[in-house]
Amino acid sequence: NAGVTQTPKFRVLKTGQSMTLLCAQDMNHEYMYWYRQDPGMGLRLIHYSVGEGTTAKGEVPDGYNVSRLKKQNFLLGLESAAPSQTSVYFCASSPGTSAYEQYFGPGTRLTVT
Amino acid sequence: SQKIEQNSEALNIQEGKTATLTCNYTNYSPAYLQWYRQDPGRGPVFLLLIRENEKEKRKERLKVTFDTTLKQSLFHITASQPADSATYLCAPSGYSTLTFGKGTMLLVSP
Repeated sequence: NAGVTQTPKFRVLKTGQSMTLLCAQDMNHEYMYWYRQDPGMGLRLIHYSVGEGTTAKGEVPDGYNVSRLKKQNFLLGLESAAPSQTSVYFCASSPGTSAYEQYFGPGTRLTVT
Repeated sequence: SQKIEQNSEALNIQEGKTATLTCNYTNYSPAYLQWYRQDPGRGPVFLLLIRENEKEKRKERLKVTFDTTLKQSLFHITASQPADSATYLCAPSGYSTLTFGKGTMLLVSP
């Protein structure tokens, strides 16, 4: 099992460009999450999904959109990138509610210039 | 709003000693609290989960306590090793989501 994988690993964008980050999990988990991690700020939840076809906002959703068309995939989109979105992005999945552990991907380092 | 506090300063200890990390939270009552380990450049890895009705949970050299009155969790690593050096994150939970603390870096010297 690959667990949770993220594509790409690194990306540099210019302000105003768009991109999509892909998260895939092969554990048949219902819940999936997107976080960003910035120095001094810790991990902050952007959006999450409690099942195929569902999405919900987290703590810092502005400037991001997500989709969960297939159970195994969770996409994070940046429509018009801003320098404030420079961060490391982590995807995670979980079998269910917060009574279960989360499994994290390796992260995507995004720089917006 | 919910607030989670972990020691921002690194904890330096000698190999073989017990490391104790603190997590304090305010303005909510989590049913669960999770601890994760994060190495530089990697995603967090789950270590332990403790429920609100459990006072203590152990796994090998790790022990977690959960005091809902004090709104505090303590994370202990006994007989610490240099390989235990990492950042440790606590995450009190809501129903569907976790809120992560900023983490405490642990440095274990030989």
